[in-house]
Amino acid sequence: DTGVSQNPRHKITKRGQNVTFRCDPISEHNRLYWYRQTLGQGPEFLTYFQNEAQLEKSRLLSDRFSAERPKGSFSTLEIQRTEQGDSAMYLCASSLGTSDTDTQYFGPGTRLTVL
Amino acid sequence: AQKITQTQPGMFVQEKEAVTLDCTYDTSDPSYGLFWYKQPSSGEMIFLIYQGSYDQQNATEGRYSLNFQKARKSANLVISASQLGDSAMYFCAMREFYGQNFVFGPGTRLSVLP
Repeated sequence: DTGVSQNPRHKITKRGQNVTFRCDPISEHNRLYWYRQTLGQGPEFLTYFQNEAQLEKSRLLSDRFSAERPKGSFSTLEIQRTEQGDSAMYLCASSLGTSDTDTQYFGPGTRLTVL
Repeated sequence: AQKITQTQPGMFVQEKEAVTLDCTYDTSDPSYGLFWYKQPSSGEMIFLIYQGSYDQQNATEGRYSLNFQKARKSANLVISASQLGDSAMYFCAMREFYGQNFVFGPGTRLSVLP
């Protein structure tokens, strides 16, 4: 399978706990994106990386959220002191970053439930 | 301001019929790309079709075609010969070429009836 993978697929946590999600992009893709999707809504952009550099962050990404892509390959998204409002699907996408089209290909997502 | 509008929260279509899902967008960037994604109940976003703002012809990919009307800022998705497996959420998205992230619409839930 050469698509985008995300782990875990589901995470249930108690309010106040920290959680970390992992995304493995398609191997030759330079760009990696994180989105959040709540029920009945379209995905909302959180942040994106060009190789290991984090180039853009949404205002949605509060201080409790941090993302890394240390070697320009996989990425992690950490949420500290989770709140019930953090319950959502967290989607990762990757793209080549070398064409005008620059289609993003998405992983299956990590569904977070904060109790 | 909402950049992508999908006015149809839900649509029904009979199997083997064609269906059009509406999408209008708002941008002042002369260069942009428009995308349609399908999201089945499993949750994964599946890329369907792309239209660039300078493309002269409407994009087609198999049973999917994009009815691009630049002056009206609309990019409607047409699915021909609907199949039961087409039942899913469909999202229209835009990427402005001076930005890197996508802006998604609220989606349309398509149900294909046997």
